[in-house]
Amino acid sequence: DSGVTQTPKHLITATGQRVTLRCSPRSGDLSVYWYQQSLDQGLQFLIQYYNGEERAKGNILERFSAQQFPDLHSELNLSSLELGDSALYFCASSEAGGDTDTQYFGPGTRLTVL
Amino acid sequence: AQKITQTQPGMFVQEKEAVTLDCTYDTSDPSYGLFWYKQPSSGEMIFLIYQGSYDQQNATEGRYSLNFQKARKSANLVISASQLGDSAMYFCAMREGYMDSNYQLIWGAGTKLIIKP
Repeated sequence: DSGVTQTPKHLITATGQRVTLRCSPRSGDLSVYWYQQSLDQGLQFLIQYYNGEERAKGNILERFSAQQFPDLHSELNLSSLELGDSALYFCASSEAGGDTDTQYFGPGTRLTVL
Repeated sequence: AQKITQTQPGMFVQEKEAVTLDCTYDTSDPSYGLFWYKQPSSGEMIFLIYQGSYDQQNATEGRYSLNFQKARKSANLVISASQLGDSAMYFCAMREGYMDSNYQLIWGAGTKLIIKP
């Protein structure tokens, strides 16, 4: 158990819908990262937050947004869902987001868009 | 160009044998970190080992060690005395240095390791 929690574990929804994925980092970690893992694209970095502020952006679509709240939990919002958004979405956290920081991953949320 | 290359899509290894999973990387940044993660069939991503570009010694964590050859830009994972529970996907990842505070991990395609009894 990494100490990172993600809810829900599974999510099935229809095209065009909007969903919210939630992540609670390990105790004491200030940085949260979101990743998408799909069969055709592999693991892709989406976005990073550090202590409530956006720090880095990766291959995140405009239909997707995220935020980190004062209690450091984070939410990833996916809207206007398409079939291709079906993937495993990981949240990871690290202590300070620095160069030698290790990211610890949550169990993931498996999203299926029908 | 691929920044992280894992050339072995799949490997079969006999239980109790040692196994080496290959990873080569490409970066011009002098400061970087290399990570190995394990993903069992259940899906979670488990951190195994870290090697910093300035570390003088190869990293070790229990049965895992990292064969870091900086000049060759390789960071191979060695698992000693493999066990059935080692069957999983293994990912090599890299984080480059302080570029615009971007700490994202860049991932290889992974190697599927199957341990045979």
